[in-house]
Amino acid sequence: GDSVTQMEGPVTLSEEAFLTINCTYTATGYPSLFWYVQYPGEGLQLLLKATKADDKGSNKGFEATYRKETTSFHLEKGSVQVSDSAVYFCALRGGSQGNLIFGKGTKLSVKP
Amino acid sequence: GAVVSQHPSWVICKSGTSVKIECRSLDFQATTMFWYRQFPKQSLMLMATSNEGSKATYEQGVEKDKFLINHASLTLSTLTVTSAHPEDSSFYICSVRGGGASYEQFFGPGTRLTVL
Repeated sequence: GDSVTQMEGPVTLSEEAFLTINCTYTATGYPSLFWYVQYPGEGLQLLLKATKADDKGSNKGFEATYRKETTSFHLEKGSVQVSDSAVYFCALRGGSQGNLIFGKGTKLSVKP
Repeated sequence: GAVVSQHPSWVICKSGTSVKIECRSLDFQATTMFWYRQFPKQSLMLMATSNEGSKATYEQGVEKDKFLINHASLTLSTLTVTSAHPEDSSFYICSVRGGGASYEQFFGPGTRLTVL
């Protein structure tokens, strides 16, 4: 079945460091891909998405490119801030019901 | 986006009792609602999907008689964990969607259930 694998955390970075969180997927067909973010005490929020190969999703300085050839959707940010500290989930949407399938989440802590 | 609330945010109960968790879509008509379960350091696992006014569709391996879902209206869904046991302790998250499969999902903050 469809699945998502993302790098395990936690990831601890200093402010202004470069961030990469790896995400790869297994799916039949061409799923839509997402990154969700969960700040402490809050629900998951959509960070960015891409719906077809070579699409780049971007938001709040974060970017991810849908790479069909490597079945990847890595999340990147050039300069992280303390306020980016959160748990990040990679997900795909596939199947007839359009259910979201999530990776395990990666906790990011950014130190000042 | 939609604002989704869950109540309670955390609950502790004794083994054998039942617990009801509410999910409300405060400013959004949720045609479809989802219930997820999340274990520590694990991904969110879909438990069931419900459409307003219809019976919920449960994922394989989820006991429908144990996890009762009622999608009573476009703004309210409840998950009742019946005869709870310690292995039911988990983080339960609801999610809402307004339209078809291509529409965005919005998530509640989750409910932490601890069964003693």
